[in-house]
Amino acid sequence: KQEVTQIPAALSVPEGENLVLNCSFTDSAIYNLQWFRQDPGKGLTSLLLIQSSQREQTSGRLNASLDKSSGRSTLYIAASQPGDSATYLCALRMTTDSWGKLQFGAGTQVVVTP
Amino acid sequence: GAVVSQHPSWVICKSGTSVKIECRSLDFQATTMFWYRQFPKQSLMLMATSNEGSKATYEQGVEKDKFLINHASLTLSTLTVTSAHPEDSSFYICSRREGEYGYTFGSGTRLTVV
Repeated sequence: KQEVTQIPAALSVPEGENLVLNCSFTDSAIYNLQWFRQDPGKGLTSLLLIQSSQREQTSGRLNASLDKSSGRSTLYIAASQPGDSATYLCALRMTTDSWGKLQFGAGTQVVVTP
Repeated sequence: GAVVSQHPSWVICKSGTSVKIECRSLDFQATTMFWYRQFPKQSLMLMATSNEGSKATYEQGVEKDKFLINHASLTLSTLTVTSAHPEDSSFYICSRREGEYGYTFGSGTRLTVV
C-alpha cells in the first residue's frame, strides 16, 4: 500500500528565503507526481506535474524534482513571498490505476512573513 | 481558466438529515469525477470515483449507502450525505479528470453537522 509522507508539516520563513518542501513515497511504481497548492478552506491548484520518466519540472520560481528510486520528490520555491503562504500537497498517480486516482500526502503548511 | 463549480461552499445541518453537494463542470465534459474528504490538517482522502452513466466506485471503508454519488450527466456529479452525524463533519472536495494528466478541483464544501 502506497504511503505518501510530507515533511515538514509546517514551515515559517521570512520573505525572500528559499523554500524546500519534501515528499516521500514507499512504492516507486508511480505514473506521475503532482504538486498542488491549497489556500485555507479552498480547493486545490495544480503547480507542477512530473511524469515518472522525468527528473524535474520548472515553472517560474518553482522547481520540482523526482527521484523514483529513492521515493522522493522535492519542491523548491525561490525567493519566497507572503503570497506563497498556503498548504502544499504532493499527490501520486500509480501505474496500476486506470481511473486516474490520486493519493495525497498530508501537506506542508507554509507561512511567509513580510 | 478551467471551472468546476461546487455548491454549497458551506452548510450546517441537523443530525439525522441529508445534505446534497453539487459539483458542476462548466467548461468540460467530465466523464470521470472524484470525491474527497479532508479533515483538519490531514490529507485529502479519496471517497469514490464516479463515472458518467454508471455506478460510482467506492474506496475501501466508505459506506456507499451513506455517501450517495450520482453522475447522471457529463456536467453534474452530486454527493449526498444521508442521515448525517457529527462525525461526518468535514471538508468535501470534488475533482474532475481532464484527459491523461489534468485535474481541476472544486472549491470545496465545509459540512458541519450539529
